[in-house]
Amino acid sequence: EDKVVQSPLSLVVHEGDTVTLNCSYEVTNFRSLLWYKQEKKAPTFLFMLTSSGIEKKSGRLSSILDKKELFSILNITATQTGDSAVYLCAVRVGSTLGRLYFGRGTQLTVWP
Amino acid sequence: DGGITQSPKYLFRKEGQNVTLSCEQNLNHDAMYWYRQDPGQGLRLIYYSQIVNDFQKGDIAEGYSVSREKKESFPLTVTSAQKNPTAFYLCASSRRAGTGSTDTQYFGPGTRLTVL
Repeated sequence: EDKVVQSPLSLVVHEGDTVTLNCSYEVTNFRSLLWYKQEKKAPTFLFMLTSSGIEKKSGRLSSILDKKELFSILNITATQTGDSAVYLCAVRVGSTLGRLYFGRGTQLTVWP
Repeated sequence: DGGITQSPKYLFRKEGQNVTLSCEQNLNHDAMYWYRQDPGQGLRLIYYSQIVNDFQKGDIAEGYSVSREKKESFPLTVTSAQKNPTAFYLCASSRRAGTGSTDTQYFGPGTRLTVL
């Protein structure tokens, strides 16, 4: 059975801290791994990773994929209160129209 | 504006009633998806459709039904057979392969269903 596991499930930090969120997966016919940020409503897309070792970066957020060890990390540097959200990891299998498998998410809370 | 719309935003239902949640997209996406989210849980796939007039069951299809008569629309009906329907429902869409597309799914704002 395909599976996506995120850790930790919950994380509380202070502004300015750096955090690392983890996502491990065990699926057949892996195609891509996606990170989303969810603040109370619809998830918004952050990154899509398809190749190992290539870092994707957007501002203070970055992510990398290890296809050999079957995991990805999402780093957030110099955290701000606006980073407080649930971060979801999802893995796409099969064709481009194949389904996504989601992890349970990591609830990040950033205190001022 | 291009995007995905879901209605209503909040929906209250009495036990034993069927309700239909609307999902419309004007992104010209071929594939559409319905997810359910419960507190502390990730997104669980209910149904998905890759082309018009075709759809597949996801992991938790029991008690739900869908139709895909138009490319733009993918309504979800929560039937009385769904034993615990109170949840947040998200609709998503993505492009078809071979069009320079990505695998990204884009989400609507969601419908929060509460059974009274």
